[in-house]
Amino acid sequence: DTEVTQTPKHLVMGMTNKKSLKCEQHMGHRAMYWYKQKAKKPPELMFVYSYEKLSINESVPSRFSPECPNSSLLNLHLHALQPEDSALYLCASSQADRENYGYTFGSGTRLTVV
Amino acid sequence: DAKTTQPPSMDCAEGRAANLPCNHSTISGNEYVYWYRQIHSQGPQYIIHGLKNNETNEMASLIITEDRKSSTLILPHATLRDTAVYYCIVRAYGQNFVFGPGTRLSVLP
Repeated sequence: DTEVTQTPKHLVMGMTNKKSLKCEQHMGHRAMYWYKQKAKKPPELMFVYSYEKLSINESVPSRFSPECPNSSLLNLHLHALQPEDSALYLCASSQADRENYGYTFGSGTRLTVV
Repeated sequence: DAKTTQPPSMDCAEGRAANLPCNHSTISGNEYVYWYRQIHSQGPQYIIHGLKNNETNEMASLIITEDRKSSTLILPHATLRDTAVYYCIVRAYGQNFVFGPGTRLSVLP
């Protein structure tokens, strides 16, 4: 299995809703990432997990709450989002201990906040 | 901030080679050059990477200048499915991938 699987592919939520995005990989990668991508912009890093511990939070608002329950799974819990949070949310994974490793990206969850 | 400069857009005729340039004049000795592409509404896809030497795989070739201050990604026979945004990223061990605006390549029939 050489894929990163993200669910759901599309999500519409109200500003008072609580929802979660899920990301799963079975490549034995020990680093996982969340990126946010607005329309016609490049992806921007949000969070980095390394060996199931949060290592980087790029000053992301607390209405986004990441969780890494195990080495294969990464969640992004969403609460009280704003319409400007509508974007494509991308998950990626990589080997954490190789010098020139690349990232494997999922296809993303397209989130619309109404 | 991204450490690379790429043209915002390029066109290429189907079946011809697409040559995408990237300037990375401040690259450090331990930084690799990576190329990713993103087809509309999909996640970025790894293409190729290199440190000093030219590299080739089934998707593309990467030509890095001797001073390492620039590189060119070559798609030898572009098809319509190669229409995408191409990102050139320089990155050292332990750093995260930081995406710049990239080059929007349009392959024309």
